Amino acid sequence: ILNVEQSPQSLHVQEGDSTNFTCSFPSSNFYALHWYRWETAKSPEALFVMTLNGDEKKKGRISATLNTKEGYSYLYIKGSQPEDSATYLCALSNQAGTALIFGKGTTLSVSS
Amino acid sequence: GAGVSQTPSNKVTEKGKYVELRCDPISGHTALYWYRQSLGQGPEFLIYFQGTGAADDSGLPNDRFFAVRPEGSVSTLKIQRTERGDSAVYLCASSPSGQGIYNEQFFGPGTRLTVL
Repeated sequence: ILNVEQSPQSLHVQEGDSTNFTCSFPSSNFYALHWYRWETAKSPEALFVMTLNGDEKKKGRISATLNTKEGYSYLYIKGSQPEDSATYLCALSNQAGTALIFGKGTTLSVSS
Repeated sequence: GAGVSQTPSNKVTEKGKYVELRCDPISGHTALYWYRQSLGQGPEFLIYFQGTGAADDSGLPNDRFFAVRPEGSVSTLKIQRTERGDSAVYLCASSPSGQGIYNEQFFGPGTRLTVL
């Protein structure tokens, strides 16, 4: 069974702080990794798809790295803003590409 | 353009009743997925459609759950004899092409099902 772990479960930061969270997975079952952001009362929104060891992706103040050999990905947010408050979900593609296997998410709360 | 829509947004039902949840994917998307998120968990895969056919239904928990996509567009998730454990947010997603590990899935806002 493919198990995706995310930590921390939740965190609270002040506006302007930089933060990061972790997604861990079995390195032997890696095909592709997806990061999503899910704001309350909205639809989950795709942030990144990562496929190669050493991949780094960036979108504005958010960036992500991938280490497939050791089985983890980091998501970084630089200078957090209140609008960054959301649950950040990490998911692995299954081998067939028919499903995403999600972690439980990290819920970020940013205070102004 | 319009994103994925789901109706109803909220559904409250009684134990033992039958419910239908509807998903309208993005126009032209051939792939459609259903997931459910129970309290404290991440979204859990239920079923994947490519066109009209269910190409992977390995996530359906039991035979009370069934989904259709008769014309390759709108999909309906059907739950018979609902149980309190079925209470969850049911998410639908679509993507432009068929199965692929890199495919971005575009999600709807979900239907929150509460079984009393």
